[in-house]
Amino acid sequence: DTAVSQTPKYLVTQMGNDKSIKCEQNLGHDTMYWYKQDSKKFLKIMFSYNNKELIINETVPNRFSPKSPDKAHLNLHINSLELGDSAVYFCASSHYLQGNNSPLHFGNGTRLTVT
Amino acid sequence: AQKVTQAQTEISVVEKEDVTLDCVYETRDTTYYLFWYKQPPSGELVFLIRRNSFDEQNEISGRYSWNFQKSTSSFNFTITASQVVDSAVYFCALTYIPTFGRGTSLIVHP
Repeated sequence: DTAVSQTPKYLVTQMGNDKSIKCEQNLGHDTMYWYKQDSKKFLKIMFSYNNKELIINETVPNRFSPKSPDKAHLNLHINSLELGDSAVYFCASSHYLQGNNSPLHFGNGTRLTVT
Repeated sequence: AQKVTQAQTEISVVEKEDVTLDCVYETRDTTYYLFWYKQPPSGELVFLIRRNSFDEQNEISGRYSWNFQKSTSSFNFTITASQVVDSAVYFCALTYIPTFGRGTSLIVHP
């Protein structure tokens, strides 16, 4: 059973298009994250939701909008895609309590290529 | 603000050599967690270890060992008798906002 699954695995699209990446976790975790990994492998946090509530919103263009319909899902919608959005996007989940943070469990990543 | 520095961008060794990956962190929190993750060429991110700020005991797991020193804000990772399968990018990370270092690419040659 896949613990954190994200779809699609690959996404190739043209500039200006709108696209979504879906993420689901079956670990019973209460916190989910989106990370962007650039071509130099730098992992940068974008968003985090705890129990469907946004708790981290780093400096990310407004074109990126996360949506968490329930604790097990965190989707990422991107409007008006730009060349610089090309990267690998990782979804992750963890169990988070003040004073404690379990390890992040990552999905396998979505490689987004904007042409 | 918190920060994780992995000064070694890339390390190249020959199989069976020991190698240490450095991690230095900055945080104002008195309680925090440190992690190491591995990203092999296949691309997935794999959790290796978690350490909380109150536990400075070194840990050993097979060929892997970790040295946590709060006095120098370091959490270094040593692989003993490296193998080709250890080739990967290794990330050190710090919570509560999960902040990652830029990673160290380890290449183990046969």
